[in-house]
Amino acid sequence: KQEVTQIPAALSVPEGENLVLNCSFTDSAIYNLQWFRQDPGKGLTSLLLIQSSQREQTSGRLNASLDKSSGRSTLYIAASQPGDSATYLCAADQGGSEKLVFGKGTKLTVNP
Amino acid sequence: GAGVSQTPSNKVTEKGKYVELRCDPISGHTALYWYRQSLGQGPEFLIYFQGTGAADDSGLPNDRFFAVRPEGSVSTLKIQRTERGDSAVYLCASSQVAGGNNEQFFGPGTRLTVL
Repeated sequence: KQEVTQIPAALSVPEGENLVLNCSFTDSAIYNLQWFRQDPGKGLTSLLLIQSSQREQTSGRLNASLDKSSGRSTLYIAASQPGDSATYLCAADQGGSEKLVFGKGTKLTVNP
Repeated sequence: GAGVSQTPSNKVTEKGKYVELRCDPISGHTALYWYRQSLGQGPEFLIYFQGTGAADDSGLPNDRFFAVRPEGSVSTLKIQRTERGDSAVYLCASSQVAGGNNEQFFGPGTRLTVL
């Protein structure tokens, strides 16, 4: 059974700082790992999808890496801005299944 | 449409009542998923459709929950005899291709409150 853990649960940083969010998963037989952003009271916005054959994906100031053998993924945010404040969720599929298993998220606050 | 849409955005009902939640996926997406999110938690999987059929309903908590997708597009999640513990945000997602590498896109959710 896939289990996803995100550390830290909350993070507060000053504007401009580079930061790393961590995600670990127990079942390495995944097809995809997906990072999402969730603003308060809103749905999930897909940020990056890393396929099992890939090591990393980049979109703008975001870079996500995947190490299947160790069951870890990281989301790197460069030059953070107050608009980056949100909860970031990591989700991995359960090998052979389409369903995503989510972590509890990291609540990020970027202070001006 | 441009994105996944869900109606209603909010639903307040009384314990024991029946509710229906609707999801309209991105046009052309064959796969549709329902998740439930409680406060402070990540979403939890409920059911997945490939076309009109439920390919995986292992996340439905009990037989009070049922979902349909009769024409392979819009889906309805139905909850009978609602309980206070059913209160949560119900999220719908869709993806273009099921199996292998598929990116799931989420709707804004329906916040269900059972009094």
